[in-house]
Amino acid sequence: QQQVKQSPQSLIVQKGGISIINCAYENTAFDYFPWYQQFPGKGPALLIAIRPDVSEKKEGRFTISFNKSAKQFSLHIMDSQPGDSATYFCAASARGGTASKLTFGTGTRLQVTL
Amino acid sequence: DTGVSQNPRHKITKRGQNVTFRCDPISEHNRLYWYRQTLGQGPEFLTYFQNEAQLEKSRLLSDRFSAERPKGSFSTLEIQRTEQGDSAMYLCASSLLRGVEAFFGQGTRLTVV
Repeated sequence: QQQVKQSPQSLIVQKGGISIINCAYENTAFDYFPWYQQFPGKGPALLIAIRPDVSEKKEGRFTISFNKSAKQFSLHIMDSQPGDSATYFCAASARGGTASKLTFGTGTRLQVTL
Repeated sequence: DTGVSQNPRHKITKRGQNVTFRCDPISEHNRLYWYRQTLGQGPEFLTYFQNEAQLEKSRLLSDRFSAERPKGSFSTLEIQRTEQGDSAMYLCASSLLRGVEAFFGQGTRLTVV
């Protein structure tokens, strides 16, 4: 049972454009929603995270939008750069807002072109 | 480098052989996690330790898999009688007890031939 659904599978964005990746979840017990970035040959690295008591969180060019009633959250990358080309995973956890036992989406491969 | 360290980085084994992977977490981290990642998929939770205690195991962790974390430091993941379906990237991560960030290692890529 896939508890976190992620779309699109792949995304091509021009440099300077906005990249948007969407995730939907089923388990209402989830209370922590991080996004991880993974480069080839590397482990995932935390990019940004949100808890369900806020609807938006922004860190630099990265913004999470969270819709609790719709059970959806999304990652927006503003002014996308070639260095942002990587695979992005949304995730969720139901362990008191901690990173314990993460359930990951299937990933979005982002390519930022010049 | 004070990050999570995994060894070996790559392992090729014949079907039916046993393999063991090692993970050295960030030194002050109480929690250690094992995940499995297959091509084109997100990591899937396998098990986690709090100090030396194994607190949870996924249904994905068949009887052929065993993990240990003696003395609450490094951890090992052993797969007995490997099968081709075990081919995957095995990721280790660690965090503080109430940590909001799990730090991942670079993984061990297992290929069963």
